This record gives sequence, C-alpha cells and structure tokens, in this order.
Amino acid sequence: GAVVSQHPSWVICKSGTSVKIECRSLDFQATTMFWYRQFPKQSLMLMATSNEGSKATYEQGVEKDKFLINHASLTLSTLTVTSAHPEDSSFYICSANRGGHEQFFGPGTRLTVL
Amino acid sequence: AQKITQTQPGMFVQEKEAVTLDCTYDTSDQSYGLFWYKQPSSGEMIFLIYQGSYDEQNATEGRYSLNFQKARKSANLVISASQLGDSAMYFCAMISIQGAQKLVFGQGTRLTINP
Repeated sequence: GAVVSQHPSWVICKSGTSVKIECRSLDFQATTMFWYRQFPKQSLMLMATSNEGSKATYEQGVEKDKFLINHASLTLSTLTVTSAHPEDSSFYICSANRGGHEQFFGPGTRLTVL
Repeated sequence: AQKITQTQPGMFVQEKEAVTLDCTYDTSDQSYGLFWYKQPSSGEMIFLIYQGSYDEQNATEGRYSLNFQKARKSANLVISASQLGDSAMYFCAMISIQGAQKLVFGQGTRLTINP
C-alpha cells in the first residue's frame, strides 16, 4: 500500500508554455501533499505544501504565480508551471502524507523547457 | 530552523563490505524524526529507515541500521554486506513532529559499490 503516482513521467515543452503535473495517491487519502524540485546533482528542495480544499503554502523564494498548485481532492494535487522557461527545467517530485510522519514519494516528473 | 549536513559527497566501497554514511543535524525541536532515503538513477525516492528522537533503540531494517547518537546530533546510516544494487544517491532527512511535517534534506552522498 501507500502508492503515489505522477503524470507525466517526463515532458518537453517550448519556452512560454504552461505544463501541468499530476500527483495522485492511489490507495490512500492524503491529508497533505508536498511538491519538491531537484536540480541535477542537488538535493530535494521543498517548493510548497498543499492541503485538500485550501491554498498551498509556498516556501520562501518560490513564486506562487508561476507554480500554481491545486489540491482538488484527497487523492489528487496538481502543479502547473506557467510560462515555463529553460531555468524551470528540473526534476519535480511530489509526496503524500496520510497522517503519520512518513511521506510517500511519487516517481517524479522530468521537465525540460526548450 | 532545521538543518541536515552530509559531509561525504561520494563514497566508494568494495562489494560485501559494510559502509557508513554520515549525517549530522541541527534543530531546536524536542520531537523530531530522521529518515534515510535511497535515490537510484531512475529518480524515485526509496524509504530505507526511520528513527524517532525519543526512540531508545537504534532503528534497523534488514541490512540497514541507523546509528543514532542524540547528544552528538548524528544519525549515520550503516549498510551491511553491500551489494552492487546499493549504488545510488542517499539522502538523510529530518522532520519536526510537532510542526508542519516538512522534510528537510541533506545534500546527499553518492555511494558506488565496486565489484
């Protein structure tokens, strides 16, 4: 149990377009979902925390208008990168919490902006 | 603020040897948790082991054990009898149990197991 999926697993887009990444908890209801960004050879950096039905809480330095997070249900959160630019190219990973301390991670989405 | 430090950017170990990956942390919280994750080249984050700050015994999970020294604020991961498949990035992470449940990660250690 405790499986988290992400879609798509990879995406290539042109500069200026928007990209939506989905994060789903497949076999449990997630009280909280988290979005991380990982640049090559670096660690994971938390971007935002989202709870179902409420606005996401963004970490310092993360532009909320650029990285739109919608937590529509207890099993789905989406991250939309708006007007993507090459510097947004990164590995985006979501995780979900079902009430305990452990976070269950999705497999990640590799975004390349041309 | 919480901080995790992993001072070993890379480690090279012979197959079947034991390896210790270092992790030190800094926090003012009384209740916290420490995690180790493995990240292979595919990118997925694989949970290895968890230690709560009030756990009196060191956590163990199969070939993984966590050497928790609270006074020194260290939480080193020990992998016994290393295997070629253990080659990956390893991240130490911390969570505040009383706080917003946010994970803070260390810089990571790239472990390479040589045959």
